[in-house]
Amino acid sequence: ELKVEQNPLFLSMQEGKNYTIYCNYSTTSDRLYWYRQDPGKSLESLFVLLSNGAVKQEGRLMASLDTKARLSTLHITAAVHDLSATYFCAVDMYSGGGADGLTFGKGTHLIIQP
Amino acid sequence: DAGITQSPRYKITETGRQVTLMCHQTWSHSYMFWYRQDLGHGLRLIYYSAAADITDKGEVPDGYVVSRSKTENFPLTLESATRSQTSVYFCASSESIWQEAFFGQGTRLTVV
Repeated sequence: ELKVEQNPLFLSMQEGKNYTIYCNYSTTSDRLYWYRQDPGKSLESLFVLLSNGAVKQEGRLMASLDTKARLSTLHITAAVHDLSATYFCAVDMYSGGGADGLTFGKGTHLIIQP
Repeated sequence: DAGITQSPRYKITETGRQVTLMCHQTWSHSYMFWYRQDLGHGLRLIYYSAAADITDKGEVPDGYVVSRSKTENFPLTLESATRSQTSVYFCASSESIWQEAFFGQGTRLTVV
């Protein structure tokens, strides 16, 4: 059974600071996704990481994937209030036959204070 | 409107009733998924579909039924609703196994 663990689950930080969210998963997979969710809203795709060593950056967010360590990170640089949201990592439960749906971490609730 | 839409957005139903949540996408994506989101559990996969007439169970399928007679529609039916099925339900679709899934706005279901 694929398990996805995020940490921390809650994070309060000040604007201008840097921080990293970690996502560990339990079985082999080379497809990992990061999503953002604002309160009461749907999920918005942030990054798609499809191979070992993949790194993607968008604005103040950067995501990376180490498939050997079964670890992905989401790094926030010089945080701003607008980045306050819940961030989910998700791993594809691909079993060889196609897309089998995603297994999500429990999410990291991020609050960025002025 | 282009994209993926769910209906209704909010639903209150009584225990034991049958209820169907609708999901429609305009991209002709092959893959469609149903997830439920609960506090403390994150999102969990209920059912998924790789194409029309092909469906399979996810992590938490008990009490739910799906069908996919057309590529663009993927309804989720609760055959006899229970309070434990109170949740926010998200439908999603993706074009291929190498691309992200796009999520609908969600349906907030309350079973009383």
